[in-house]
Amino acid sequence: QQQVKQSPQSLIVQKGGISIINCAYENTAFDYFPWYQQFPGKGPALLIAIRPDVSEKKEGRFTISFNKSAKQFSLHIMDSQPGDSATYFCAAQEEGFQKLVFGTGTRLLVSP
Amino acid sequence: NAGVTQTPKFRVLKTGQSMTLLCAQDMNHEYMYWYRQDPGMGLRLIHYSVGEGTTAKGEVPDGYNVSRLKKQNFLLGLESAAPSQTSVYFCASSIRGDTGELFFGEGSRLTVL
Repeated sequence: QQQVKQSPQSLIVQKGGISIINCAYENTAFDYFPWYQQFPGKGPALLIAIRPDVSEKKEGRFTISFNKSAKQFSLHIMDSQPGDSATYFCAAQEEGFQKLVFGTGTRLLVSP
Repeated sequence: NAGVTQTPKFRVLKTGQSMTLLCAQDMNHEYMYWYRQDPGMGLRLIHYSVGEGTTAKGEVPDGYNVSRLKKQNFLLGLESAAPSQTSVYFCASSIRGDTGELFFGEGSRLTVL
């Protein structure tokens, strides 16, 4: 049973476009929601993270939008670049627990 | 500063063979994790450790054992490999367990024939 559901599985966006990846969860005890970026042959690396006390967090071209009532959060990549082509994982963590639960990943391809 | 180092990077086993994956971190992190990554299934936690001498089960622990005899090392063992354990294994560490900020190694690709 997937605790964090991620969509789409894959995404193709033209250079300069907006990439949007969505995640949904059921466990209302989750209180930390990071996104990880993984390039081929590498391990995932933390990209950006949010806690449920804010509805949006922006870092450069990357923005997390968080909807607590809908139990959904999404990653927006503005002005997508070919260098953003990677697999993106959303994740969630419950307060007091020492482990992250990951979504199934989205493979993003930004075409030149 | 190497971060998290995994060895070996590639390994091919026959069904029933045993092996150990080694993870070493030089960041003095308390928490260490072993995940497996499979297509369409994301990253699933196998075992984790909250400090030297401790281990705990994750989502998919069956068929694996772990040990954390030294703070900097976290070993993942397969006693009798099965084809279902063909996967890419990632080790990660974090300075503390409640921030979610994991530092990953580059992975170990294991094929079980």
